[in-house]
Amino acid sequence: EVQLVESGGTLVQPGGSLRLSCAASGFTFTTYWMTWVRQVPGKGLEWVANIKQDGSEKFYVDSVKGRFTISRDNVKDSLYLQMNSLRVDDTAVYYCAGSSNPGYHLYMDVWGKGTTVTVS
Amino acid sequence: EIVLTQSPATLSVSPGERATLSCRASQSVSTNLAWYQQKPGQAPRLLIYGASTRATGTPARFSGSGSGTEFILTINSLQSEDFAVYYCQHYKNWPPITFGQGTRLETK
Repeated sequence: EVQLVESGGTLVQPGGSLRLSCAASGFTFTTYWMTWVRQVPGKGLEWVANIKQDGSEKFYVDSVKGRFTISRDNVKDSLYLQMNSLRVDDTAVYYCAGSSNPGYHLYMDVWGKGTTVTVS
Repeated sequence: EIVLTQSPATLSVSPGERATLSCRASQSVSTNLAWYQQKPGQAPRLLIYGASTRATGTPARFSGSGSGTEFILTINSLQSEDFAVYYCQHYKNWPPITFGQGTRLETK
């Protein structure tokens, strides 16, 4: 079964740090672009960051540049999001998502159930 | 940044009827557009990519059309499980990748 399972979300104070993890199983992780998408409860979806299959390219939404770092471990089939200098407006459910398309056509066909980050 | 505008914000349709959801891009995205369905308390699920290609497991009653800046998601013969929020997302000339604000499909 194709599966992504996020963990690490919790309550943290403004200015604090947090590391989210996403464990992949049931598919060839090394062939997938991986993405973090967040959603404020009751609001829409916001792309946060993504990372190429081999980790050689990383991209971020402007609001997290310099504060968040995306990374992956292709031996452990895991994706990470290091979140520093957290702000109240980073509060959201964070989803891990994967794209099986090998190129730059980034639609997300695998999703985790999300982990909740509350900054307060 | 490419802005996606979805309309209407809320659509009320009776089961068995057809729903038509719109997504407009601020500049051409060719056919680099996807549609997702999200039910309460669940993660989004990919329905359509390439503007018109159904993802694995997407029922045939869902169809996508359009190119450039105007896109439509049509759901024929609405089933009870189709009432949800739908998002469009582009993947042309990114970053950033952006989503529309969503259309809530509710039972009339």
